[in-house]
Parts: sequence; structure tokens; C-alpha cells
Amino acid sequence: DVKVTQSSRYLVKRTGEKVFLECVQDMDHENMFWYRQDPGLGLRLIYFSYDVKMKEKGDIPEGYSVSREKKERFSLILESASTNQTSMYLCASSLVEDNQPQHFGDGTRLSIL
Amino acid sequence: GQSLEQPSEVTAVEGAIVQINCTYQTSGFYGLSWYQQHDGGAPTFLSYNALDGLEETGRFSSFLSRSDSYGYLLLQELQMKDSASYFCAVNQAGTALIFGKGTTLSVSS
Repeated sequence: DVKVTQSSRYLVKRTGEKVFLECVQDMDHENMFWYRQDPGLGLRLIYFSYDVKMKEKGDIPEGYSVSREKKERFSLILESASTNQTSMYLCASSLVEDNQPQHFGDGTRLSIL
Repeated sequence: GQSLEQPSEVTAVEGAIVQINCTYQTSGFYGLSWYQQHDGGAPTFLSYNALDGLEETGRFSSFLSRSDSYGYLLLQELQMKDSASYFCAVNQAGTALIFGKGTTLSVSS
């Protein structure tokens, strides 16, 4: 079974802090994704990566950056956390073909105080 | 712009059949996917339709009409454990998914 592991289930940080969310997958998937999920808004794509050191902006990249130095690891970085970034963050991975399902981690519930 | 529309809530009783509709307006359409998410859990993949027609997987079926930009998820013989949120998502070129806002299904006994 595919395993996507997010480093923290719950995280509390302060406004202005630099925050790192880590995601690791164990199935050698080419594609990795970061979403945020908010009530009534569904899942919104922040960034995705289709290869090591490659990244593409999603629908809401502002205030975020990403890093993919190794194929199995995709990091989301909040450069200077703000209260409107309080959310559930979900990482996913998939094979490169268009019809392949995305496999999600359990999510990180991030609170910015 | 790009958008997916699906009902926000659906209620049904055990043993019933429910259909969750999804209409979409996107560019670069490759196919329509459905995901299930239980409260507090991760979304899990249910089905994918690239061609028109019905795909059946056990109690769940998914339908696509590309000409109508429309699809639906059909859940039969509902069980309490089917209470969850269901998301339709459009597969675009480059493998990024665009998700709808989700439909919360509540199944009662």
C-alpha cells in the first residue's frame, strides 16, 4: 500500500514564524501535491511537483513556497505565517500518468496564533 | 474561469440509493475523479471516468457525459459507514486535480 506520511498531525505556531510542513511518500511517485482544506471551500491546490527540483504553482501559492530535493520528500514552507493560513494541509502523491489516483496523507492541522 | 458544482449536502436512509451530481467548467479536461473523505480522515480515491458512460465498482458507480460537462456518483445499498464527504475532481493536463467543494452525505438508520 502507498504510504504518504506528514510529519505532524497538529501544529501550533505564531504569526511571523517560518513554518515547515514535511511530507514523505514511499512508492516512488513522480508527482507530489500540497493542498489546503477549509470548510465550505473544498481542497485548493497550493503547489505541486512532477519531478525533483521542479515545482508548479497551484491556485493559491501566495505566502507559500515548496522544496523537493529528493523524490520521496516534498516540503511546504510558510515564509512568514499569518492567521489566515490557519487550515488543514494535505499532501498527496501520484504516478505521472493522467488517470492515476492521488494518495493523501492524514493531514496537518495548523493553527497560527 | 474554472469551476465545479456539486450539492453541499445530501441525506438518505440506510439501504437507499443516492446520486451526487457534479457539473464542471474547466480547460484541458482529461477525466473526472471521485474521492471520499470521512470526518477527520484523508481523502481516498473512489473512481475515475475518462470516457462517457458508467463505471461500476461494487456498490458505487460513476458516470460521465463529456458533451454535457456532467458526471455523477451513484451509491447503492447505503450503509451508515458511507456517511462522509464526497468530492468530484477534474483531471487536467499536467496531472493537477481541480476539486469541487464537496458533498456531505449523511446516512441515517
